[in-house]
Amino acid sequence: KAGVTQTPRYLIKTRGQQVTLSCSPISGHRSVSWYQQTPGQGLQFLFEYFSETQRNKGNFPGRFSGRQFSNSRSEMNVSTLELGDSALYLCASSLANRLEDIQYFGAGTRLSVL
Amino acid sequence: LAKTTQPISMDSYEGQEVNITCSHNNIATNDYITWYQQFPSQGPRFIIQGYKTKVTNEVASLFIPADRKSSTLSLPRVSLSDTAVYYCLVALTGGFKTIFGAGTRLFVKA
Repeated sequence: KAGVTQTPRYLIKTRGQQVTLSCSPISGHRSVSWYQQTPGQGLQFLFEYFSETQRNKGNFPGRFSGRQFSNSRSEMNVSTLELGDSALYLCASSLANRLEDIQYFGAGTRLSVL
Repeated sequence: LAKTTQPISMDSYEGQEVNITCSHNNIATNDYITWYQQFPSQGPRFIIQGYKTKVTNEVASLFIPADRKSSTLSLPRVSLSDTAVYYCLVALTGGFKTIFGAGTRLFVKA
């Protein structure tokens, strides 16, 4: 069974631009969560989608948004990029959004904002 | 909010047993405790999950005392390839939000 696939693996953008990251979950998984990982802040939860609905959102500005499609694939968008948005963005999928559901992570998208 | 506290780093030698303890004083009744392993430039990988007492799988054991305010990940006979960051995760009840702690950087020496 294929794992979680994130594309692209690397991105370089400049301040003020916007970016869209993609995540394909494991087949059959209906929940997708997004995380930002930086050396200074560690792993921080962005948001979670289940059945095309955002179920939870972390403490990030509105420039960070996401969506989930009917096939459970998800995208996240960051508008008006800032230097501080440089990070590894991780996507995780799980069967559902129950507390005990294990999250399976992709390899991440490394975003560099210049 | 349930917050986790782990040692920042630990050193060990090949073949030794390593125990990493995570403190989660505000854990809620329905919260599960999950541990992940992360190598540089990769996503975290699931190791083990438990709710209470002891859980064992082919790679690790998880010990959870009765009050559930802490948990200990036990890695038997570590090897160099176990050098990684280990995260303790407690899922929050009601919101399904997940908070990763700072993680423990384990360095295994030959």
